Amino acid sequence: NAGVMQNPRHLVRRRGQEARLRCSPMKGHSHVYWYRQLPEEGLKFMVYLQKENIIDESGMPKERFSAEFPKEGPSILRIQQVVRGDSAAYFCASSPPGFSGNTIYFGEGSWLTVV
Amino acid sequence: AQSVTQLDSHVSVSEGTPVLLRCNYSSSYSPSLFWYVQHPNKGLQLLLKYTSAATLVKGINGFEAEFKKSETSFHLTKPSAHMSDAAEYFCVVSDPTEKLVFGTGTRLLVSP
Repeated sequence: NAGVMQNPRHLVRRRGQEARLRCSPMKGHSHVYWYRQLPEEGLKFMVYLQKENIIDESGMPKERFSAEFPKEGPSILRIQQVVRGDSAAYFCASSPPGFSGNTIYFGEGSWLTVV
Repeated sequence: AQSVTQLDSHVSVSEGTPVLLRCNYSSSYSPSLFWYVQHPNKGLQLLLKYTSAATLVKGINGFEAEFKKSETSFHLTKPSAHMSDAAEYFCVVSDPTEKLVFGTGTRLLVSP
């Protein structure tokens, strides 16, 4: 059973370009979470999605950031018009229905560098 | 709101000596608490979790943690450090709305 798969693992974008990060949850998991880790900091919650629904986006910046989890295919975190401050590691996590606080699994992360 | 405070940003130990990484939490609810480890440029690995069962929790790689409600603490310990334990460690509390709230991390350095 494959774990949470994220790609690309590393992405370099110039300022003003768009970045798309993909996350395929573990088989049977319908809940996806995105977290951001800025250099030398802990992870900060961004958004929580279920299939075709955004459940909690309280951690998402108000502009340029969006996330989706379509009925088919991976979850996508999209960052438009990237700036240097968007450089960070972005982690996806997934859990099955009926989250109990102890079954969340993380992917290995996508490292975004904005030059 | 839920929060965790990791009291040390860096901890240095010698190989073979005990490890203590300190964490205090704040929670309005009966919390679920976790410790995760992150090796450089790698993802997060769950070491152990507390979910209101036994207060002494045993995890992987010889780590354990004790939940102390009176002290609002969840310190991580290991009797004997190994070189491979050098990494960043995060104390985490789960939010009732299903978010994980991370501490700022403690970098463990292990010298020969």
